[in-house]
Amino acid sequence: AQKVTQAQTEISVVEKEDVTLDCVYETRDTTYYLFWYKQPPSGELVFLIRRNSFDEQNEISGRYSWNFQKSTSSFNFTITASQVVDSAVYFCALSEPGGNNRLAFGKGNQVVVIP
Amino acid sequence: GAVVSQHPSRVICKSGTSVKIECRSLDFQATTMFWYRQFPKKSLMLMATSNEGSKATYEQGVEKDKFLINHASLTLSTLTVTSAHPEDSSFYICSARSGVTQETQYFGPGTRLLVL
Repeated sequence: AQKVTQAQTEISVVEKEDVTLDCVYETRDTTYYLFWYKQPPSGELVFLIRRNSFDEQNEISGRYSWNFQKSTSSFNFTITASQVVDSAVYFCALSEPGGNNRLAFGKGNQVVVIP
Repeated sequence: GAVVSQHPSRVICKSGTSVKIECRSLDFQATTMFWYRQFPKKSLMLMATSNEGSKATYEQGVEKDKFLINHASLTLSTLTVTSAHPEDSSFYICSARSGVTQETQYFGPGTRLLVL
């Protein structure tokens, strides 16, 4: 069984502050993929990043960065210098390869950026 | 690339009617599509996995006769909510797996269903 935990339900930050979203996962497999998706108020899930279990390099994409630490089973997401457009729900998800690649989603982090 | 569309974006119907929702992969072939349901302020709940040309695989607790899924081509899957009731009101969202990057699911914009 796999499980994804996003402990912070709602996070409010003032514009230009940094915000870090924690994601902790559980899996018995050695090969797996981790994802982050953004769901703005419109409802569509926007793919942000995919990381496989053998690639522990951190990644930066503009104001977004991700820290993957296999030792602590965490895949945290940081938004630097937050903007109002970053207000959304962010989901961390885990999939195991093969078969239909079903995703296990965390409960999501509601991020509210206050202007 | 990897764009998924859904139609309609929102629908209001009377109790007892059936509603069909379409999910299309616009710029790639999707051998597998997924249907999710999301309640307000909740996470996504996988309803079923749809493979092109074969029967859908439903998650435990999801009525297959209630939620009919057809995946007739590599770019189209449909979800039909049969004899809809108010408790079926929800946000339904589909995703498609790209044949190029097989592990990533790309999501459609979702369909808001309100059953009166």
